Amino acid sequence: DVKVTQSSRYLVKRTGEKVFLECVQDMDHENMFWYRQDPGLGLRLIYFSYDVKMKEKGDIPEGYSVSREKKERFSLILESASTNQTSMYLCASSLYGAGGPNQPQHFGDGTRLSIL
Amino acid sequence: DQQVKQNSPSLSVQEGRISILNCDYTNSMFDYFLWYKKYPAEGPTFLISISSIKDKNEDGRFTVFLNKSAKHLSLHIVPSQPGDSAVYFCAASYHKEPHGSSNTGKLIFGQGTTLQVKP
Repeated sequence: DVKVTQSSRYLVKRTGEKVFLECVQDMDHENMFWYRQDPGLGLRLIYFSYDVKMKEKGDIPEGYSVSREKKERFSLILESASTNQTSMYLCASSLYGAGGPNQPQHFGDGTRLSIL
Repeated sequence: DQQVKQNSPSLSVQEGRISILNCDYTNSMFDYFLWYKKYPAEGPTFLISISSIKDKNEDGRFTVFLNKSAKHLSLHIVPSQPGDSAVYFCAASYHKEPHGSSNTGKLIFGQGTTLQVKP
């Protein structure tokens, strides 16, 4: 089974702090994704990466950056945390990179982030 | 611009009956559709998918129907069980050629429908 592990289940930070959310997958997947989930809005894509050191903006990248130095690890960075970034953050991975066949994404259990 | 919509925020059904969750989309380029289930404090779990070349896919109690002309997708759960109570998300994606395209694998999600199955 695919295992996607997010480093923290719950996190509380203060406004203005730099926040790091870490995600690791153990199945040699090429694609990795960061989403946030908010009530009534579903899952919205923040950033994704289809290869090491490659990144693409999703639908709501403002205020975030990402890092993928190794294939198995994808980090989400909140440069200067704000209260409107309080949310559930979900990491996902999928097997194939660009041009590959359709396949599902596999999710971690999420990080509930509160910005005070 | 909501390309994938789940217009019913919630649904309540009796145990043993059929649950029907609906999803509409606007982008005719979508060629792959998925349903995920999410329990509180857990990540979404992949349930079932369907390619645009099919109109039905079945896996045990779960069946997904695709009506391309109506741009409509539905998930049927028969019979419904209390353990099916969760939030259900539909999602869609499309291939984008040529080689090196970065959009392949990107999913667009609906807002979710909370299903409650009563014993």
